[in-house]
Amino acid sequence: RKEVEQDPGPFNVPEGATVAFNCTYSNSASQSFFWYRQDCRKEPKLLMSVYSSGNEDGRFTAQLNRASQYISLLIRDSKLSDSATYLCVAQGNDYKLSFGAGTTVTVRA
Amino acid sequence: GAVVSQHPSRVICKSGTSVKIECRSLDFQATTMFWYRQFPKQSLMLMATSNEGSKATYEQGVEKDKFLINHASLTLSTLTVTSAHPEDSSFYICSARLSGSVFYEQYFGPGTRLTVT
Repeated sequence: RKEVEQDPGPFNVPEGATVAFNCTYSNSASQSFFWYRQDCRKEPKLLMSVYSSGNEDGRFTAQLNRASQYISLLIRDSKLSDSATYLCVAQGNDYKLSFGAGTTVTVRA
Repeated sequence: GAVVSQHPSRVICKSGTSVKIECRSLDFQATTMFWYRQFPKQSLMLMATSNEGSKATYEQGVEKDKFLINHASLTLSTLTVTSAHPEDSSFYICSARLSGSVFYEQYFGPGTRLTVT
């Protein structure tokens, strides 16, 4: 079983729409969680860290549910530039990152 | 701040040759760097953890004699793919963690696309 699992999508949404997706992680000892964004053939870029109480950064909201071991990302008022693959990442206390395979989001005009 | 560079960005080599990839933290010191590999439409897979001044720690299934890692300074780690074969063709990405940081974020290099013919 993969350590981090994500719905690969794709999620095709019109500009201005709200899109949300989850990922699940299997290692209950995971300490920290992140969402990274990866554009085609590029390196991942940190989008946001995910805190237990949930956190918001502009149009992006992340939630962590430790009891059910899932993390969510919600994007409001989608922009064309939000089209990317979103990687869910769990980190153990050894600093190693476990990546999900990514959820592809395509925002259309 | 927290910029990581990789060189080369793209390399094509013949089967049987060796390729060295450099990962540098440009504006910070990184005691620990990580090497990942990503095949098309798959997630990043951690290959090894590189610690300055000591031997790298390899993940299960990664051959340490094939993927040589050297972390000679606080700003440079190198990955050498020895006797490369077409199945080694992949996107290799390094990341670095700020030394002494209480935060867990890692900063990624732009990646190196290796094609073995």
